Amino acid sequence: DTAVSQTPKYLVTQMGNDKSIKCEQNLGHDTMYWYKQDSKKFLKIMFSYNNKELIINETVPNRFSPKSPDKAHLNLHINSLELGDSAVYFCASSQGYGLLGGGSSGNTIYFGEGSWLTVV
Amino acid sequence: SQELEQSPQSLIVQEGKNLTINCTSSKTLYGLYWYKQKYGEGLIFLMMLQKGGEEKSHEKITAKLDEKKQQSSLHITASQPSHAGIYLCGAALNSGGYQKVTFGTGTKLQVIP
Repeated sequence: DTAVSQTPKYLVTQMGNDKSIKCEQNLGHDTMYWYKQDSKKFLKIMFSYNNKELIINETVPNRFSPKSPDKAHLNLHINSLELGDSAVYFCASSQGYGLLGGGSSGNTIYFGEGSWLTVV
Repeated sequence: SQELEQSPQSLIVQEGKNLTINCTSSKTLYGLYWYKQKYGEGLIFLMMLQKGGEEKSHEKITAKLDEKKQQSSLHITASQPSHAGIYLCGAALNSGGYQKVTFGTGTKLQVIP
């Protein structure tokens, strides 16, 4: 069973379209994330949610709107897609969101397999 | 400038050789993650280090976090083709009391049989 699953894996769409990427985790984690990996393989955090509440928002254009209907799901909706949005989007989850300390491994982040978005 | 720098950016080694990848932070780390990524796949968690001087091993891969918690190294002993991929270090930084994991630029490893 896949722990963090995202769909679709591949998506090719035209500029100006609106698209969504769905993510689900079956690990029972409280925290979920969206990361973006660009063509240079640089991986950057976009959003972080804990128990359906937004806790990190990294100056992402407001065309990107995450939605968390419950703590096991974090979907990413993108409006008015642009060429520069082409990238691999990774969903991830962890048990907690606090700073690491005391030897706890509960905040290890587990990633999905990625969604390859190509905007043409 | 990047908060986290990895070196080298790419590495080609002969099978059986040892290699080291370095990860340097401009800030004190609350923790340091190492992940491996194969082309077209997601990130596979390798290890997490929290304490200064901590060292962990998994099969032929060893990672260490220095005493000042600003630098980590990943060492592979007797490399195999299965070790090929992109190695990413992730720094757990403080973002308003929350953990924000920022990743390095990655090191692409090729192992020649």
